[in-house]
Amino acid sequence: NAGVTQTPKFQVLKTGQSMTLQCAQDMNHEYMSWYRQDPGMGLRLIHYSVGAGITDQGEVPNGYNVSRSTTEDFPLRLLSAAPSQTSVYFCASSYSIGNGYEQYFGPGTRLTVT
Amino acid sequence: KQEVTQIPAALSVPEGENLVLNCSFTDSAIYNLQWFRQDPGKGLTSLLLIQSSQREQTSGRLNASLDKSSGRSTLYIAASQPGDSATYLCAVWVKAAGNKLTFGGGTRVLVKP
Repeated sequence: NAGVTQTPKFQVLKTGQSMTLQCAQDMNHEYMSWYRQDPGMGLRLIHYSVGAGITDQGEVPNGYNVSRSTTEDFPLRLLSAAPSQTSVYFCASSYSIGNGYEQYFGPGTRLTVT
Repeated sequence: KQEVTQIPAALSVPEGENLVLNCSFTDSAIYNLQWFRQDPGKGLTSLLLIQSSQREQTSGRLNASLDKSSGRSTLYIAASQPGDSATYLCAVWVKAAGNKLTFGGGTRVLVKP
């Protein structure tokens, strides 16, 4: 199993550009999510999905779009990049255990917006 | 709203000493609690998961306990090694907020040779 994979590893964008961060998992997990990690702010949930065709907003969804057409893929789209979106982005997938989930993270994408 | 706190934010110990990392949460109605390790510039690696019905979990030198009534979890790392230097984060799955994981701020650990 490759686990959770993310591409690209690094990206530099100019303000106003759009792009898609890719995330894929091969563990057949229903639950997937996107976080951003910023110094002093910890990990914050952007969007999540409990299955194909179902997405919901997290704590900081503004400026980001997601869709989930397959179980394996959960791309994150930046509509019009802003310097405030400079961050490290982590994708995660989770499987159900007990009444909750166990979560696995990808290696991250480091994004800089100039 | 569930809040997860990890104190201290940073910790330095000599090699061989046992590590005790604390995690507290405000709402005891949690599903599971998960401990992660993050090395600089890397993603998060899952260490241990404790289900809400469990009191502890063990893996090698790691032992995590859970006391829901007091809103606390503790991660013990026995006989620390320089390779244990990393940031350790705890996170809880929150019933009230739908299926979402709430993270603590982490404890940065340095084990000195």
